Amino acid sequence: QSVLTQPPSVSGAPGQRVTISCTGSSSNIGAGYDVHWYQQLPGTAPKLLIYGNSNRPSGVPDRFSGSKSGTSASLAITGLQAEDEADYYCQSYDSSLSGSGYVFGTGTKVTVL
Amino acid sequence: QITLKESGPTLVKPTQTLTLTCTFSGFSLSTSGVGVGWIRQPPGKALEWLALIYWDDDKRYSPSLKSRLTITKDTSKNQVVLTMTNMDPVDTATYYCARPQQLAQGGFDPWGQGTLVTVSS
Repeated sequence: QSVLTQPPSVSGAPGQRVTISCTGSSSNIGAGYDVHWYQQLPGTAPKLLIYGNSNRPSGVPDRFSGSKSGTSASLAITGLQAEDEADYYCQSYDSSLSGSGYVFGTGTKVTVL
Repeated sequence: QITLKESGPTLVKPTQTLTLTCTFSGFSLSTSGVGVGWIRQPPGKALEWLALIYWDDDKRYSPSLKSRLTITKDTSKNQVVLTMTNMDPVDTATYYCARPQQLAQGGFDPWGQGTLVTVSS
């Protein structure tokens, strides 16, 4: 049902850099709509991590960064820490002949080895 | 400080109508640009946007669920209500309410803690 595709899982050792891709299409990311990222720790509600493709809300460490190009976006985590083990979701807006609305990615589980 | 909290039944039977309430504080739905949205997450699955209502009573619905959803607001009570008709076991999920950023097609921040709704006979 998700129109934004993410890898199911990524992993890395503490201190390493990992990236999560979010692939969309010409009706969402490729149409110029912004991409936002959420972190969902186990058993908790999602938390906004990146908004407007590359902006961090107050309190989010600068280890997290976002970018967007064409029909895709990416979230990078540098200096991976144990507390970063969580599920991550991208989100954008989609406008097509079948209707318009907010769309989420399929989600990526980050494991710290 | 902005907070949101969902409330409603934890168990509904198939074909019944679900009514959820989001009670919020720290902002007003009578302020220009402000909105409240609903998002759900089936166990172990991805997030799915459902509906959103703005300060001016503009309402937006997921195209795939539009026929089953109704969103309303009570500005005096700081509440937003979502109703979903004809519930099915596949609608079992944690339902969240969240405030959209005051940006065009922005993100949602913050979120409520969520409420798990199980659909079963």
